[in-house]
Amino acid sequence: DGGITQSPKYLFRKEGQNVTLSCEQNLNHDAMYWYRQDPGQGLRLIYYSQIVNDFQKGDIAEGYSVSREKKESFPLTVTSAQKNPTAFYLCASSILISGTEAFFGQGTRLTVV
Amino acid sequence: ILNVEQSPQSLHVQEGDSTNFTCSFPSSNFYALHWYRWETAKSPEALFVMTLNGDEKKKGRISATLNTKEGYSYLYIKGSQPEDSATYLCAFNFGNEKLTFGTGTRLTIIP
Repeated sequence: DGGITQSPKYLFRKEGQNVTLSCEQNLNHDAMYWYRQDPGQGLRLIYYSQIVNDFQKGDIAEGYSVSREKKESFPLTVTSAQKNPTAFYLCASSILISGTEAFFGQGTRLTVV
Repeated sequence: ILNVEQSPQSLHVQEGDSTNFTCSFPSSNFYALHWYRWETAKSPEALFVMTLNGDEKKKGRISATLNTKEGYSYLYIKGSQPEDSATYLCAFNFGNEKLTFGTGTRLTIIP
């Protein structure tokens, strides 16, 4: 089955700890994205990557970091510098950065206590 | 930050009725406009990707139109069914760049 997989589905962390969210795709897509959703808000772009070993900040990158060492993988680290990390995080991929449909994972709900 | 605006924010429609909602986006340097459906407990799924002014696309009872000169797109649902209940997201590629989403329209079909 081709698709995009996020893990875990639910994640709890103590305040001040870094946490890494996994995103893997086997669709052979070049572009990958991380979005964050908060209640009553749309999807806000955190980071995106157009190709392996390259990534750009989105609209709300502060307190987050990413890597793109492999085409299939785009992990997101939520650092202790992120002031409001509790949110729903969605990963997506597409063939190209624009003009092609995005495929989404199931999401990870992160709760920081 | 480029704004993509969707209206209304939420909508309740009687089963069998038709409905439509709007996505507004910056008209300059347009590249593509996307519509996604996001059902509860599922991942967003693409409905349409539209690139040409005047484009009209259809999938079953759902269709969309695009006006790039004035910066809007309409999504139409004909004869609403309970399974149409979802949040409908509009997203925009500005130039050859990343996808920027609107806040969505939450549609509830009343049986």
